[in-house]
Amino acid sequence: SQQGEEDPQALSIQEGENATMNCSYKTSINNLQWYRQNSGRGLVHLILIRSNEREKHSGRLRVTLDTSKKSSSLLITASRAADTASYFCATDWTGANSKLTFGKGITLSVRP
Amino acid sequence: DTGVSQDPRHKITKRGQNVTFRCDPISEHNRLYWYRQTLGQGPEFLTYFQNEAQLEKSRLLSDRFSAERPKGSFSTLEIQRTEQGDSAMYLCASSLSSPSSSGQGAFGAGSRLTVL
Repeated sequence: SQQGEEDPQALSIQEGENATMNCSYKTSINNLQWYRQNSGRGLVHLILIRSNEREKHSGRLRVTLDTSKKSSSLLITASRAADTASYFCATDWTGANSKLTFGKGITLSVRP
Repeated sequence: DTGVSQDPRHKITKRGQNVTFRCDPISEHNRLYWYRQTLGQGPEFLTYFQNEAQLEKSRLLSDRFSAERPKGSFSTLEIQRTEQGDSAMYLCASSLSSPSSSGQGAFGAGSRLTVL
């Protein structure tokens, strides 16, 4: 079964707008990661946030983590057409040998 | 080092045939993972190696599936007597097993299997 649940399932925005994607999970985690996947391709690691962190930035990406609510959000600012992809959150459970459990993903479409 | 390599990228086979996928991890990574991803879903964990030892297998890994990592470097995933339900993308990932790098690994581009 899949640990994470992303929300919304699909998001369509105009280039230049910000995109916010949310993820909820069920059990205690070591860390939470966000990945991007272009159609039919492999996964590209975007950002990792550890369970003792609350916010992290990387370029146009901002990730927050609320362990009390078991949720995370990924914000992409000033979106570009090239950001069009599926986005997945993945959790690394406490004591789980670093195997990742993914959600079903969010499909982001950025209109030029 | 160009990252995690998977071969073949695409495989089309008839039901009942055997297929084998290969994964070459990043050379210094001692952990190697296989995941399966079906259309519209996120990847699901199949199995995991630390060096040559297979330490965990998912219930998704039926007895028709076997994975090996004989010398702790590359790994193979074999599916025997393929079924149409095996059609999926098979993803390999590798990482280092150190606290500072926990969870930070790399994924290959995947091997897409289509069973006719």
